[in-house]
Amino acid sequence: LAKTTQPISMDSYEGQEVNITCSHNNIATNDYITWYQQFPSQGPRFIIQGYKTKVTNEVASLFIPADRKSSTLSLPRVSLSDTAVYYCLVPIHSGAGSYQLTFGKGTKLSVIP
Amino acid sequence: NAGVTQTPKFQVLKTGQSMTLQCAQDMNHNSMYWYRQDPGMGLRLIYYSASEGTTDKGEVPNGYNVSRLNKREFSLRLESAAPSQTSVYFCASSEKQLMNTEAFFGQGTRLTVV
Repeated sequence: LAKTTQPISMDSYEGQEVNITCSHNNIATNDYITWYQQFPSQGPRFIIQGYKTKVTNEVASLFIPADRKSSTLSLPRVSLSDTAVYYCLVPIHSGAGSYQLTFGKGTKLSVIP
Repeated sequence: NAGVTQTPKFQVLKTGQSMTLQCAQDMNHNSMYWYRQDPGMGLRLIYYSASEGTTDKGEVPNGYNVSRLNKREFSLRLESAAPSQTSVYFCASSEKQLMNTEAFFGQGTRLTVV
């Protein structure tokens, strides 16, 4: 089963770049890596998804090395509003071609003024 | 465009009571999901529906039933509520079964069982 491991928490000052690394040693060949953000009392929100190398959008960048056993979410110049829990997900294959997307505990990012 | 709408937003039940949590999406998505989130924890998948007419168990299905009423609606039923089911419940949908696609979440239903 493809499971993920990421730090429980991180602190950062405003304006700094934050990198959150996730390990997924058993990722399957065709699986993508997806990151979600969750604010208190809200549902998770999709941030970024990638398969290999680097993906960038208006919110974040995702770096994936060649072996794909880990990935790093990079948030440039964080602000207080980036304080949230960040989840790294890979599919869990439950047989007969079906998949589940399971959230771990995520990484609680606290941005300090 | 409302996205994913859950009702009710809050509910208090007595132990043994039953209730149905409603979820509807207006994005014409094929797949829908129910998760629960306990304090300080990540989300755990209860049931999912890969497409209209199908439902499958997730990580924590015991004590719940689901119905995929049509493509838009996916309901979660607690037949006999227990205090251990006190949680925040999130419904989500995606264009196809969740793997290489984005999921959209509702705002959650906060359920307390006393």
